[in-house]
Amino acid sequence: DAGVTQSPTHLIKTRGQHVTLRCSPISGHKSVSWYQQVLGQGPQFIFQYYEKEERGRGNFPDRFSARQFPNYSSELNVNALLLGDSALYLCASSLDSQETQYFGPGTRLLVL
Amino acid sequence: DAKTTQPPSMDCAEGRAANLPCNHSTISGNEYVYWYRQIHSQGPQYIIHGLKNNETNEMASLIITEDRKSSTLILPHATLRDTAVYYCIVRAPMGFNKFYFGSGTKLNVKP
Repeated sequence: DAGVTQSPTHLIKTRGQHVTLRCSPISGHKSVSWYQQVLGQGPQFIFQYYEKEERGRGNFPDRFSARQFPNYSSELNVNALLLGDSALYLCASSLDSQETQYFGPGTRLLVL
Repeated sequence: DAKTTQPPSMDCAEGRAANLPCNHSTISGNEYVYWYRQIHSQGPQYIIHGLKNNETNEMASLIITEDRKSSTLILPHATLRDTAVYYCIVRAPMGFNKFYFGSGTKLNVKP
């Protein structure tokens, strides 16, 4: 079975631009969570979506937003990019909002 | 969710058992202990989780102390491919599914 997939794998943007990252969960999984991992640190929780509704939000500014589609795939949007947004963005899926999370390979974002 | 304390790094000889400790002294009665690992620049990989009893799967064993204040992840025969950062996480099966990763333990498996 296919695992969690994310696109693109790498991305380079400049300050002030907008970026959209995409995630497809494991088949049958209805919950998607997003994490940001800055170099040298553990992943930090950004959002969780379950059945297309936001179930949780981490301590991130309003420049970060997300949504989940009827097929349970998800997008993470970041507006007005800052240099500090450079990180590995991870998507994780789970059967429901409380089950074990399985992570994708991540999207590496570089903001110049 | 309770926080965890792990040593920043450990070494292990290839073929030997790797025992990774985790302290979670403030764990609540309904909180599970999860272990993930992250090989350089890849997404975290789920290893194992448990509540009270010891657990074993094809990857590892999880030993949880009787008072549940600490646990040990055991990789029975470490290989070079087990070199990674190992994260111990505790979370309750309620509310939303946030995992707090902390800094983890960098396990170096040496030939």
